[in-house]
Amino acid sequence: EAEVAQSPRYKITEKSQAVAFWCDPISGHATLYWYRQILGQGPELLVQFQDESVVDDSQLPKDRFSAERLKGVDSTLKIQPAELGDSAMYLCASSPGTSGWNEQFFGPGTRLTVL
Amino acid sequence: SQQGEEDPQALSIQEGENATMNCSYKTSINNLQWYRQNSGRGLVHLILIRSNEREKHSGRLRVTLDTSKKSSSLLITASRAADTASYFCATDGAGGTSYGKLTFGQGTILTVHP
Repeated sequence: EAEVAQSPRYKITEKSQAVAFWCDPISGHATLYWYRQILGQGPELLVQFQDESVVDDSQLPKDRFSAERLKGVDSTLKIQPAELGDSAMYLCASSPGTSGWNEQFFGPGTRLTVL
Repeated sequence: SQQGEEDPQALSIQEGENATMNCSYKTSINNLQWYRQNSGRGLVHLILIRSNEREKHSGRLRVTLDTSKKSSSLLITASRAADTASYFCATDGAGGTSYGKLTFGQGTILTVHP
C-alpha cells in the first residue's frame, strides 16, 4: 500500500539553527500539505501545494519558515532560525485532488525538539 | 486557528463498550471528516460525511451530522483495546475559495482497557 514518506522521524536542534524536513507524497497525488501539531492539539495547516504552486500559506510564519515543491512531487519545509516554540510534530499529507471531498493521507511525521 | 471543539477531551472505557465523541464547529461546511491518530504517529482517515448527509456507517463506526446545530458525533461500537488513540474531527469549509483546507479540532483521547 502506498504511503507518504517523511524524514527524518526525529530531529533535535538548538535554537537559532536551521532545520529541514522532507516529504514524499503518494505517487500521483497533486495536493501536498504541511501541518504543525503541538502536543495535545490538533494539526494546523502551514502550507498547501497544488502541484508545484502554493495555494495557501496564510498560516506559515514566513519570516522563518519556507516551503518548496519544485517539481510538483516531493517537498521540503525549512525553518531558519529555529525557536523554542517551534518544538512540535510536523506532518505531511497528500491528496489526489484539490477539493475537500478527498481524504488526506498522512505521513508518520517529524518530531522536532528545539533546545 | 482551531474550528472544532471536541468533547470529551478524554474518554476511558472497557473493551466491548461503546465510545461516543462529539465535535462542534463554527462556520458552514462542505463536509466533515474524522481521523484517528495513534500515539506519536500520523493521522489515519476514518470517514467523511457530506453536509447534505445526516448519518454514515463504516464497519463499527457511525457518524452523525447536524448542520443546524453545527455538530457531529462519532460512535465506535464494541470497542477494542486497539481503538486506543486520539480522534479528531476536521471540517472543510464551505463558500469562497475552498481548496480542500481542513481545520482540525483539539481531539478526544480514547483509552480502551482490556
